Amino acid sequence: DIQMTQSPSSLSASVGDRVTITCRASQSVSGYLNWYQHKPGKAPKLLIYAAYILHSGVPSRFSGSGFGTDFTLTISSLQPEDFATYYCQQTYSTPWTFGQGTKVEIK
Amino acid sequence: QVQLQESGPGLVKPSQTLSLTCTVSGASISSGSYYWSWIRQPAGKGLEWIGRIYTSGSTNYNPSLKSRLTISVETSKNQFSLKLSSVTAADTAVYYCARVIRNDYGNNWFDPWGQGTLVTVSS
Repeated sequence: DIQMTQSPSSLSASVGDRVTITCRASQSVSGYLNWYQHKPGKAPKLLIYAAYILHSGVPSRFSGSGFGTDFTLTISSLQPEDFATYYCQQTYSTPWTFGQGTKVEIK
Repeated sequence: QVQLQESGPGLVKPSQTLSLTCTVSGASISSGSYYWSWIRQPAGKGLEWIGRIYTSGSTNYNPSLKSRLTISVETSKNQFSLKLSSVTAADTAVYYCARVIRNDYGNNWFDPWGQGTLVTVSS
């Protein structure tokens, strides 16, 4: 199985901050990398697919980059509604696997 | 807009079979070239992909669960289902269903997801 490792596991940030979350794969996943946002009690939401393509309706302050084994999710200016847990996911090979999550908390 | 909703017992006894159904609304489960998938999240842990099914009935399972797992689809009811046998406390989790979208380049992603349903394995 391909292991996905996110860092940090959690972070505290203020509204307006630039936030960067990294995701590293144990082997190359090419560009088959997605990012999701998850709030407690809610359905996870797709933010970015294919490493950098912004899903329809997702604010442009979210962006993704990377290829191969190293990927980044950036929130350019953190908003109150962005406090959540973020997961990366590889769909290069089955079993599809997720990172352990990065919890973004209010500072 | 497509919506998914999980349903099933919230409590299952050890060694029994966990059964969940995902009802799709807003579109026919047979329309489009989509897979339909199950994912779970034990309390305090990360997300684990369980498996997927195509409307033809073709399936792919996570090898860690394959021996105990059956995913099926019932197109007439616009539903797909999960059965996990011989459950233990380790199977206690929030279970999600999701639509899998695939593009021409082979990328797959989950959208949308259901809200999730908590299943507790306990006597």
